[in-house]
Amino acid sequence: KAGVTQTPRYLIKTRGQQVTLSCSPISGHRSVSWYQQTPGQGLQFLFEYFSETQRNKGNFPGRFSGRQFSNSRSEMNVSTLELGDSALYLCASSLFRVGDTEAFFGQGTRLTVV
Amino acid sequence: AQSVTQPDIHITVSEGASLELRCNYSYGATPYLFWYVQSPGQGLQLLLKYFSGDTLVQGIKGFEAEFKRSQSSFNLRKPSVHWSDAAEYFCAVGTGGGNKLTFGTGTQLKVEL
Repeated sequence: KAGVTQTPRYLIKTRGQQVTLSCSPISGHRSVSWYQQTPGQGLQFLFEYFSETQRNKGNFPGRFSGRQFSNSRSEMNVSTLELGDSALYLCASSLFRVGDTEAFFGQGTRLTVV
Repeated sequence: AQSVTQPDIHITVSEGASLELRCNYSYGATPYLFWYVQSPGQGLQLLLKYFSGDTLVQGIKGFEAEFKRSQSSFNLRKPSVHWSDAAEYFCAVGTGGGNKLTFGTGTQLKVEL
């Protein structure tokens, strides 16, 4: 069974640009969530999608957005990039079942903003 | 709101020695607790989880963790550490029915040969 796939693995962008990251969950998983990991702030929750609907959202500015497609694949977008957006962005997928919140993570996308 | 504290930022142990990584959580309801491991530049791999039932849970790679409600702790243990265990370890608490995880700041494990 294939794991969570994130593309691309590495990105270099310039301040002010926008970027789109992609996540393909494990087959059959309907929930996808995104996390930002930085040395200073650690792992922080961005948002979670289930059946194309955002269920939870973390404390990030509106420049960070996401969506989920009918096949459960998800994208996140960051507009007007800032240097502080440089981070490892991790995607996780899980089944939607009460009492089962085991999340499986992808390898991440390393975003560098210059 | 839930929170997780990992009081040890760095830990160094000798290969073959036992290991205990500490984790304390704060959550109003019954917590869902997890330990993840991350190698440099990689994603997170789930070591073990606790949802309910037996408070001593077994995971992969010989790890185990014990849930102690009275102490709000979920410490990770391994009886004999291998050099390949060197990595960063994260404790996390989840909200039931959802997919939001709150992570601790992580413990960097170094293994001396």
